[in-house]
Amino acid sequence: AQTVTQSQPEMSVQEAETVTLSCTYDTSESDYYLFWYKQPPSRQMILVIRQEAYKQQNATENRFSVNFQKAAKSFSLKISDSQLGDAAMYFCAYRNTGTASKLTFGTGTRLQVTL
Amino acid sequence: NAGVTQTPKFQVLKTGQSMTLQCAQDMNHEYMSWYRQDPGMGLRLIHYSVGAGITDQGEVPNGYNVSRSTTEDFPLRLLSAAPSQTSVYFCASSWGVHLTEAFFGQGTRLTVV
Repeated sequence: AQTVTQSQPEMSVQEAETVTLSCTYDTSESDYYLFWYKQPPSRQMILVIRQEAYKQQNATENRFSVNFQKAAKSFSLKISDSQLGDAAMYFCAYRNTGTASKLTFGTGTRLQVTL
Repeated sequence: NAGVTQTPKFQVLKTGQSMTLQCAQDMNHEYMSWYRQDPGMGLRLIHYSVGAGITDQGEVPNGYNVSRSTTEDFPLRLLSAAPSQTSVYFCASSWGVHLTEAFFGQGTRLTVV
């Protein structure tokens, strides 16, 4: 079974600074998908960014980018120019190809953004 | 476009009571799932479905039943509520097996006393 580990329960960043959230995973598959979801206090799960394992290029979405290291099974999220609205719980998630219904989540990192 | 709608948003049950958490999506998605979220444990898969009439167990299925009679609806039934089922429950749907986004409902906070 696949596992996802987020070793930072809480992180803090100053507004306009950059922060990196860590995620490692374990799988025997060669192709798979990785995601970062944001959960603000409203409880809504919001997709931040996604990555296909066979693509070497790291995904980027505006201020959000990933550092995908397939050999190390690492998938960290970098948030640049942090904003107050980035404060939330962030979950790393894994999914096998061909299993659209089955996401495996990490335990989450709570990000605080300070002035 | 409502997306994924869960009802109710909050519920308090007594131990031993049964209830159904409703989930409906209007995006014609084939794939639907139920997760529970507990502090410090992330989201864990309870049951999932790959289409109408097809369901299967996830990581933590005990104490829950599901059915999928239509593409739109995927209700989750608690047969005899226990305090260990106090959690936040999320329903999710997606349309395909490729790099597709899972859309989540707003969640149901369930407390079993």
